[in-house]
Amino acid sequence: DTEVTQTPKHLVMGMTNKKSLKCEQHMGHRAMYWYKQKAKKPPELMFVYSYEKLSINESVPSRFSPECPNSSLLNLHLHALQPEDSALYLCASSQVFGRTEAFFGQGTRLTVV
Amino acid sequence: RKEVEQDPGPFNVPEGATVAFNCTYSNSASQSFFWYRQDCRKEPKLLMSVYSSGNEDGRFTAQLNRASQYISLLIRDSKLSDSATYLCVVPDNAGNMLTFGGGTRLMVKP
Repeated sequence: DTEVTQTPKHLVMGMTNKKSLKCEQHMGHRAMYWYKQKAKKPPELMFVYSYEKLSINESVPSRFSPECPNSSLLNLHLHALQPEDSALYLCASSQVFGRTEAFFGQGTRLTVV
Repeated sequence: RKEVEQDPGPFNVPEGATVAFNCTYSNSASQSFFWYRQDCRKEPKLLMSVYSSGNEDGRFTAQLNRASQYISLLIRDSKLSDSATYLCVVPDNAGNMLTFGGGTRLMVKP
């Protein structure tokens, strides 16, 4: 089973809203990632958690707040987003940080209005 | 030099053709390399992993050239369903991140 599950699949939120994206994997992977992808661009790394600890924050604005409650779950809390934050947000996991292939969830397509 | 570079294409090829893409990388210490396929508005899906000189899976062959620091992806007997963007992923200079190349778009025509 190489499944990474993300919810919701689609999200429309206002600039004053607070929402959360969720990601779950049951492959025993100890590294989990958030990526942001704009149209016709490759995914851009946002955050990496390794063994449930934040190991990389790619200078992401504080309106994006990641959380890793346990080894299977990864959340991305959103607050006061801007329209330019509209994108596909992808979660991924891998066995060991950076050294093996990552598997991606289907993504959450976020629109900020 | 970007850490991972790909020709964006698009590569327009007829069905049945053989097509190859290259991906150049800057980290000479990289030990693992990955090719992903991404369909429009979908997530990237792992196509091939390369840990040594190369890998082959059916119509797909990945080859690593460490001296010139590039990996290639060869697709034989192209199918319409091969139309997608192919993304190369290489750990970055810190040796511990998954950094994507810009992707190469392939269009297979009937």
